[in-house]
Amino acid sequence: DVKVTQSSRYLVKRTGEKVFLECVQDMDHENMFWYRQDPGLGLRLIYFSYDVKMKEKGDIPEGYSVSREKKERFSLILESASTNQTSMYLCASSWTEETQYFGPGTRLLVL
Amino acid sequence: KNEVEQSPQNLTAQEGEFITINCSYSVGISALHWLQQHPGGGIVSLFMLSSGKKKHGRLIATINIQEKHSSLHITASHPRDSAVYICAVRPLRGTASKLTFGTGTRLQVTL
Repeated sequence: DVKVTQSSRYLVKRTGEKVFLECVQDMDHENMFWYRQDPGLGLRLIYFSYDVKMKEKGDIPEGYSVSREKKERFSLILESASTNQTSMYLCASSWTEETQYFGPGTRLLVL
Repeated sequence: KNEVEQSPQNLTAQEGEFITINCSYSVGISALHWLQQHPGGGIVSLFMLSSGKKKHGRLIATINIQEKHSSLHITASHPRDSAVYICAVRPLRGTASKLTFGTGTRLQVTL
């Protein structure tokens, strides 16, 4: 079974803090994704990585950066958290053009 | 207008009813996915299809490429089917692995 894990289920941070969200997959997938999910807006792609050290901006990359130093690990970084980044963050991984496997999600609250 | 539209947004059914959720999209696609999200956040992939029909247990997914429309049917619905069902498409244009998501259909099945 494919397993995608995320470092935290719930996180509370203060405005201006640097926030790290980590995602690990165990299936040697090339592709990894970070999404945020907000009511009424569905899943929106923040960043996508198709190989180690390779990344591509998604639809809403502003205020975020990513790091992929190892194939199994994809980190999302909020350089200076703001209240409008309060959201559910979901990580996913896949082989090219195949089914995406999702992690359990991290619910982030920025105060 | 969103590239992927789902209807209805909310659906309540009684146990045993036949349920249909619709997805329309406006771009050329190479594949369409149906996903299920239970309360708590985890998302699982139900189907990936590019033509015709697929069946898994009580779930059936169909797609009409010419009409740019897909349906997800649930036969003999059960309270454990209560979840948000999300349609996602892989557009022909753009990066091969990226998906565009609908906003989901919230289904509640009551006893």
